[in-house]
Amino acid sequence: AAGVIQSPRHLIKEKRETATLKCYPIPRHDTVYWYQQGPGQDPQFLISFYEKMQSDKGSIPDRFSAQQFSDYHSELNMSSLELGDSALYFCASSLGRGNTEAFFGQGTRLTVV
Amino acid sequence: GESVGLHLPTLSVQEGDNSIINCAYSNSASDYFIWYKQESGKGPQFIIDIRSNMDKRQGQRVTVLLNKTVKHLSLQIAATQPGDSAVYFCAENIGDSGYALNFGKGTSLLVTP
Repeated sequence: AAGVIQSPRHLIKEKRETATLKCYPIPRHDTVYWYQQGPGQDPQFLISFYEKMQSDKGSIPDRFSAQQFSDYHSELNMSSLELGDSALYFCASSLGRGNTEAFFGQGTRLTVV
Repeated sequence: GESVGLHLPTLSVQEGDNSIINCAYSNSASDYFIWYKQESGKGPQFIIDIRSNMDKRQGQRVTVLLNKTVKHLSLQIAATQPGDSAVYFCAENIGDSGYALNFGKGTSLLVTP
């Protein structure tokens, strides 16, 4: 079965650079969520989109932005990267909003040096 | 602030024994809870969920119990196997308009032969 695809799997950037993470949801899923997981930490909700519109917003820094495109894939844009942005970034998708199961991708490991 | 948290950071059990992982939540308005399993380097994997109008839900070898009175959630794993070794997170849906999961601190489950 198709799963949530994230790219790239690994990314190394220097401080103050920008990064773009991509997420391709499970086919027909219309909702995408982004999470950040620091080393040894629990995943922190960043932002979610439903039908290409922002749905909920969590602890996403102002330096980050995201959007969901017409084909339902989503991109997380990160600017002025800081060392503290080094983390695993997970995308999840679901069919519909509300209380329903979300499936997570394998994550993108971002390392800022 | 309100948060979901776990009582124990680590749990070691012998293969074949039953495991119980606990979780306390503080947001009394939460109406949907999920247990996730996360293996090293992978995204969280859905195990089982429960809505606030239920107090027990069973899956294959897993049972989730919800006690709304004391705001406590537990995951029971029967006949624990080495493949169950992972970090387990409970999460509550805190999204106003959809689905934004607030993860608790994970519990590392180690199954010994």
